[in-house]
Amino acid sequence: QVQLVQSGAEMKKPGSSVKVSCKASGGTFSSYTFSWVRQAPGQGLEWMGGIIPIFGTSKYAQNFQARVKITTDESTRTVYMELSGLRSEDTAIYYCASSTYCGADCYLNWFDPWGQGTLVTVSS
Amino acid sequence: DIQMTQSPSSLSASVGDRVTITCRASQRISTYLNWYQQKPGKAPKVLIFAASSLQTGVPIRFTGSRSGADFTLTISSLQPEDFATYYCQQTYSTPLTFGGGTKVEMK
Repeated sequence: QVQLVQSGAEMKKPGSSVKVSCKASGGTFSSYTFSWVRQAPGQGLEWMGGIIPIFGTSKYAQNFQARVKITTDESTRTVYMELSGLRSEDTAIYYCASSTYCGADCYLNWFDPWGQGTLVTVSS
Repeated sequence: DIQMTQSPSSLSASVGDRVTITCRASQRISTYLNWYQQKPGKAPKVLIFAASSLQTGVPIRFTGSRSGADFTLTISSLQPEDFATYYCQQTYSTPLTFGGGTKVEMK
């Protein structure tokens, strides 16, 4: 069973970028699909996008399409989420989550497990 | 995008109560509906997947069901550790979307 450990909290200025990492241990890295979900303070969950490492293909929600990039490094079993053009509204906890691989361009499966979350604060 | 309308947004209940939370999908999603529990300061945890399958290790007081476009999470007898926020999620099509959440509070 995979376990996910995310990088630590970040404090960023408006207009800058942030890159959050999510290191997977256990399991076979290519047997999973990874997603990023964010949660603004006191708010609900929002899917940002995902990646299928075995194909290296990613998919993004329209809200983030222009600003987000999700990548993997198979040698270190790490998934990255980079968000650019940060604004105060991007202040949130960012979670990575894994789901069992189900094919090319397939995001049908539930998220289990999740990383512990990374707080990104955007403030001048 | 598929909208997930979850209700109620909050409820007050007592230990031992039966609690029901509903999620309605704006489009057909078959049974690609999952339920998560989130406690303050923690990541969400899956309870039910594929509308009605209980995740390993989750108490049997949690059940999920489907009636057409409506999905229900039921807690048969609320326990102290069940006070939390619950979210539904559709994985039928991208973008994956979540309901707005239901906060279960102590009466």
